[in-house]
Amino acid sequence: KNQVEQSPQSLIILEGKNCTLQCNYTVSPFSNLRWYKQDTGRGPVSLTIMTFSENTKSNGRYTATLDADTKQSSLHITASQLSDSASYICVVSSGGGYNKLIFGAGTRLAVHP
Amino acid sequence: DSGVTQTPKHLITATGQRVTLRCSPRSGDLSVYWYQQSLDQGLQFLIQYYNGEERAKGNILERFSAQQFPDLHSELNLSSLELGDSALYFCASSVTGGNEKLFFGSGTQLSVL
Repeated sequence: KNQVEQSPQSLIILEGKNCTLQCNYTVSPFSNLRWYKQDTGRGPVSLTIMTFSENTKSNGRYTATLDADTKQSSLHITASQLSDSASYICVVSSGGGYNKLIFGAGTRLAVHP
Repeated sequence: DSGVTQTPKHLITATGQRVTLRCSPRSGDLSVYWYQQSLDQGLQFLIQYYNGEERAKGNILERFSAQQFPDLHSELNLSSLELGDSALYFCASSVTGGNEKLFFGSGTQLSVL
């Protein structure tokens, strides 16, 4: 069964600190892995998309890594800001000619001053 | 602003009723997707349209139906509503409907009382 599991479920950090969110997946076939940021009550916004051959991709203070062998990905947030408070969703695309996406349940991050 | 417009933002209705959710994709995007997000759950894929034609179907109930019109806007119809249908319903769009970046609307919050 295709699954995407994220950890931790929730996380609280202080402003200015770094944090790392984890994503493990069992999706086949694999096409790409995406990280989205979802503010409360809003739609998800794409942060990164990585294909099988990409190990790391950055978007400002967000850096995603992908280990296709172990089927793991991480999202590292550097120098966190209050505006980083949101849910971060790991999504794996199973390809297949259309956008067959499997969504993780997300990690809810709270950044406190 | 993703460029994807969803209306209404909030909808409160009673069990057994029927509602219609509307989505206008980004300018130039031919494909529209509908997702359901229940409380603290990951997004569940419902259905995808490309240029007016149904392309893929996910976990969409028979009580639900959708269509994409010639002007590319889409409507999701939910009938015989049950309490468990209360959720955030997201629309997303993409250019070709292939394995590419999705742009999400802000969602419609449906509350069935």
